Amino acid sequence: DSGVTQTPKHLITATGQRVTLRCSPRSGDLSVYWYQQSLDQGLQFLIQYYNGEERAKGNILERFSAQQFPDLHSELNLSSLELGDSALYFCASSDGQGRPEAFFGQGTRLTVV
Amino acid sequence: AQSVTQLDSQVPVFEEAPVELRCNYSSSVSVYLFWYVQYPNQGLQLLLKYLSGSTLVESINGFEAEFNKSQTSFHLRKPSVHISDTAEYFCAVSEGYGGSQGNLIFGKGTKLSVKP
Repeated sequence: DSGVTQTPKHLITATGQRVTLRCSPRSGDLSVYWYQQSLDQGLQFLIQYYNGEERAKGNILERFSAQQFPDLHSELNLSSLELGDSALYFCASSDGQGRPEAFFGQGTRLTVV
Repeated sequence: AQSVTQLDSQVPVFEEAPVELRCNYSSSVSVYLFWYVQYPNQGLQLLLKYLSGSTLVESINGFEAEFNKSQTSFHLRKPSVHISDTAEYFCAVSEGYGGSQGNLIFGKGTKLSVKP
């Protein structure tokens, strides 16, 4: 158990809809990262938050957004969903203060139908 | 820009045989290097890491990796594999500065299949 919790584990929704994925980082970790894993693109970094503020952005679509709350949990919002958004979405956390290794949650499998 | 190349997408091997999973990276600055393992229908688990110091790093389950700066490689090895090592292995790099620590760039992954 990495200590990173993601909910829900599975999500099936229709095209055009909006979903929210939730992540609770390991106790004490200030940084949260979101990654997308798909068969064609592999593992892609989406976005990083550190202590509530956006710190780095990767290949995140404009239809996607994220935030980190004062209790350090994070949410990834995906809107106007398309079939191609079907993927495994991972959250990871690190302490953000000198230990660079990141610990991953079990992921949320999103299926857009 | 950083990139990671895992040269083999699939590696089949018999149980108790040695294995090497290859990883090369490109970066213009100092890097941290990682191997993660993903078992079927599970998340990614950190297998081992190179941050600094000794270029040979080991995991608790017999894997080792060697950082070679001149060849920009971080190959993963195990002298004798078990059926339970069947999984997908991802090499990742992070440029170690500021708040981007942990912002990982992953390779495409290598599926290790251990056969009896």
